[in-house]
Amino acid sequence: EVQLVESGGGLVKPGGSLRLSCAASGFTFSSFSMNWVRQAPGKGLEWVSSISSSSNYIYYADSVKGRFTISRDNPKNSLYLQMNSLRVEDTAIYYCARAPFSPNWGQGTLVTVSS
Amino acid sequence: EIVLTQSPGTLSLSPGERATLSCRASQSVSSNYLAWYQQKPGQAPRLLMYGASTRATGIPDRFSGSGSGTDFTLTISRLEPEDFAVYYCQQYGSSLLTFGGGTKVEIK
Repeated sequence: EVQLVESGGGLVKPGGSLRLSCAASGFTFSSFSMNWVRQAPGKGLEWVSSISSSSNYIYYADSVKGRFTISRDNPKNSLYLQMNSLRVEDTAIYYCARAPFSPNWGQGTLVTVSS
Repeated sequence: EIVLTQSPGTLSLSPGERATLSCRASQSVSSNYLAWYQQKPGQAPRLLMYGASTRATGIPDRFSGSGSGTDFTLTISRLEPEDFAVYYCQQYGSSLLTFGGGTKVEIK
């Protein structure tokens, strides 16, 4: 069974940093590109970032470029999102998901940016 | 960036009725790389369709997808009570992925 388990969310002040993690199991993680997708409270889905299977190709939405860094550790079956210079508008549930489209999603981790 | 516009924003229908949801792209979606998701309150999205018209595993055949280029449609032939939810389209033909704003299908 495919599982994606996100962690690392929490409450942080504007300008602060957080590092999200996603633990993957049940599939060959190293063979798949991965996405981070977020959803602000009461809003729609927003793609945040993608990373290819070997980390050769990395893409970011304009809204997070220069502030967020995606990475992965294939031997550990893990995906990460380093979030710096956080803004109030980054408040959202953050999901990791297989790319480019995902039949499997985690439960998400809530990031709240507030003073 | 390819902008996806979904319409209508809200669809009010009764169980048993047909639902037709639209997703229009600001430029042609390469190879019809378009997916549809269903999301219910408090839940993660669920993949319904990919490649514009291929049903994901376990998705009932009352769901169908069509379209190409810039115009795509998700059709639910006969609404079941569990189909009332929000639906999103997503294009993956570009390196910068995008989602539509969603269509809420609500009970009339």
